[in-house]
Amino acid sequence: KAGVTQTPRYLIKTRGQQVTLSCSPISGHRSVSWYQQTPGQGLQFLFEYFSETQRNKGNFPGRFSGRQFSNSRSEMNVSTLELGDSALYLCASSYNDRNWFFGPGTRLTVL
Amino acid sequence: AQSVAQPEDQVNVAEGNPLTVKCTYSVSGNPYLFWYVQYPNRGLQFLLKYITGDNLVKGSYGFEAEFNKSQTSFHLKKPSALVSDSALYFCAVSSPSNDYKLSFGAGTTVTVRA
Repeated sequence: KAGVTQTPRYLIKTRGQQVTLSCSPISGHRSVSWYQQTPGQGLQFLFEYFSETQRNKGNFPGRFSGRQFSNSRSEMNVSTLELGDSALYLCASSYNDRNWFFGPGTRLTVL
Repeated sequence: AQSVAQPEDQVNVAEGNPLTVKCTYSVSGNPYLFWYVQYPNRGLQFLLKYITGDNLVKGSYGFEAEFNKSQTSFHLKKPSALVSDSALYFCAVSSPSNDYKLSFGAGTTVTVRA
């Protein structure tokens, strides 16, 4: 099976812009979660989706949003980008909520 | 609330020597414990997990971890480290009582010198 894929792998944006990141889970996995990784804050949970419904949400401002499609693919959106949003964004998928498999991440740089 | 502590930011060992990366956790209910490894500019790679059963868990690439309920620890070990084991290691915990949401430690950078 193919692993979790994330696109794009690298992204450069300027402050105030918005960005959409995409995640395709492993075939058969219906749960998708998103994490932000920064040197200062480490790995922080953003949100989790199952069958197109958000089940959990971390402590991030409303500028961060996401959705899941009927084929389990997920997108996350960050509006009004700030310098502090520069991070590696990781997506993970699971078939049973117990084992999570991570994608390679999208490296977002905000200038 | 649940949390993970990795008390060492860095671990340095010589190739061929034993490697230990420490992890302690706090969680309500039964813990599900994980170790992941991250190489530069890559995502997280699953190493091993403990959910139930034997306290000694064997995983990928010769790694193992021991679940100790009384000490709330889940230390990662490898009997003989390789230079290629140099990477960033994360311990994580989840629980049915927290909707299986993963909480990660801050990570430990392992450097194995030749």
